[in-house]
Amino acid sequence: EAGVAQSPRYKIIEKRQSVAFWCNPISGHATLYWYQQILGQGPKLLIQFQNNGVVDDSQLPKDRFSAERLKGVDSTLKIQPAKLEDSAVYLCASPAGSDTQYFGPGTRLTVL
Amino acid sequence: KQEVTQIPAALSVPEGENLVLNCSFTDSAIYNLQWFRQDPGKGLTSLLLIQSSQREQTSGRLNASLDKSSGRSTLYIAASQPGDSATYLCALKSDRGSTLGRLYFGRGTQLTVWP
Repeated sequence: EAGVAQSPRYKIIEKRQSVAFWCNPISGHATLYWYQQILGQGPKLLIQFQNNGVVDDSQLPKDRFSAERLKGVDSTLKIQPAKLEDSAVYLCASPAGSDTQYFGPGTRLTVL
Repeated sequence: KQEVTQIPAALSVPEGENLVLNCSFTDSAIYNLQWFRQDPGKGLTSLLLIQSSQREQTSGRLNASLDKSSGRSTLYIAASQPGDSATYLCALKSDRGSTLGRLYFGRGTQLTVWP
């Protein structure tokens, strides 16, 4: 079974620029999560999808962050415009039926 | 709001030692608890999952316990090896209506096992 795929692995941008991250979850997994992990902290949920619908986006800074999951498969997370405090690792995860969470390798974003 | 605390923040031990990592939480309305391992520059790997009705889970040299009433979980690693060096995070899945299904993570314990 292939794992959760994410790209790019690293991204460096200047503040006020835009950036997008891509995630392809494990085939057949209906639920998809995006997390933000700031250095030295645990991951924080940004948004949860069930198929192509949003279940929980209460912690997503909607003034600059957006996410979509067209056709209920892969997903993109966008930041526009980026701020210095957005520097973090962005993780995508999808759970199996047993609740075990499978995480992708993450995208490390540096905002200069 | 659920608060998850992990102690210690960092731990350095010689190879072969048995060790315990601690996780405490403030809201006992949990669906399950997971322990993860995170290697530098990598995503998270699930190690053990304990449902709220269970007391412990074991996998190889790892044993995780859960005490909902006291808001505590421990991860026990037996006979530690240098390959165990990583950051260990605990995460709780909320069973409370307004945050149902949300995962809350601790900051992790950074473990170093030296030969």
